Amino acid sequence: DTGVSQDPRHKITKRGQNVTFRCDPISEHNRLYWYRQTLGQGPEFLTYFQNEAQLEKSRLLSDRFSAERPKGSFSTLEIQRTEQGDSAMYLCASSLSTGGTEAFFGQGTRLTVV
Amino acid sequence: QKEVEQDPGPLSVPEGAIVSLNCTYSNSAFQYFMWYRQYSRKGPELLMYTYSSGNKEDGRFTAQVDKSSKYISLFIRDSQPSDSATYLCAMSRVDSGGYQKVTFGTGTKLQVIP
Repeated sequence: DTGVSQDPRHKITKRGQNVTFRCDPISEHNRLYWYRQTLGQGPEFLTYFQNEAQLEKSRLLSDRFSAERPKGSFSTLEIQRTEQGDSAMYLCASSLSTGGTEAFFGQGTRLTVV
Repeated sequence: QKEVEQDPGPLSVPEGAIVSLNCTYSNSAFQYFMWYRQYSRKGPELLMYTYSSGNKEDGRFTAQVDKSSKYISLFIRDSQPSDSATYLCAMSRVDSGGYQKVTFGTGTKLQVIP
């Protein structure tokens, strides 16, 4: 499978616990995005990498959220001290940096905080 | 006011009907326009991608962009039950940092009834 891969697909955690999600982009794509999607809403931008550099973070990304992309390959999104409001689908997308912004999404990680 | 407005539906049509999905936007800086299809509990899948005003056709799908009216449409001809999904419009512009930033609509839920 040469598409964007996300792991895990589902995560249930207790409030206050830390969780980490992984995204493996399409191999030649140097841009990587994280989005959050709640029920009935479109994806909301969280953060964006160009290779290993994190170029932009949304105001939605509180101090409890951290994202990394070591070596410009896979990326991780960590949420510390999870809250019930963090329950959502976390989507990763990747694209090339040249040309337009045609982005391809993974299947997402669905987080439920209980 | 949101930058991108999209009627959430749901939209219910009989099989074989022509479907029209629409989005309006307020920021004239948007340059690239995209339509994604999202099945339940899956990541968005890119359907159509356009840059300029006018029409772009791909099989049963036609994307239309009217920059003067800040209005984009997706038409689906001969709709099939397998087209039942949520359709997200998305558009991108260069942000203050010089990078393309994508903004999504909230999505329109479509149901095609056999």
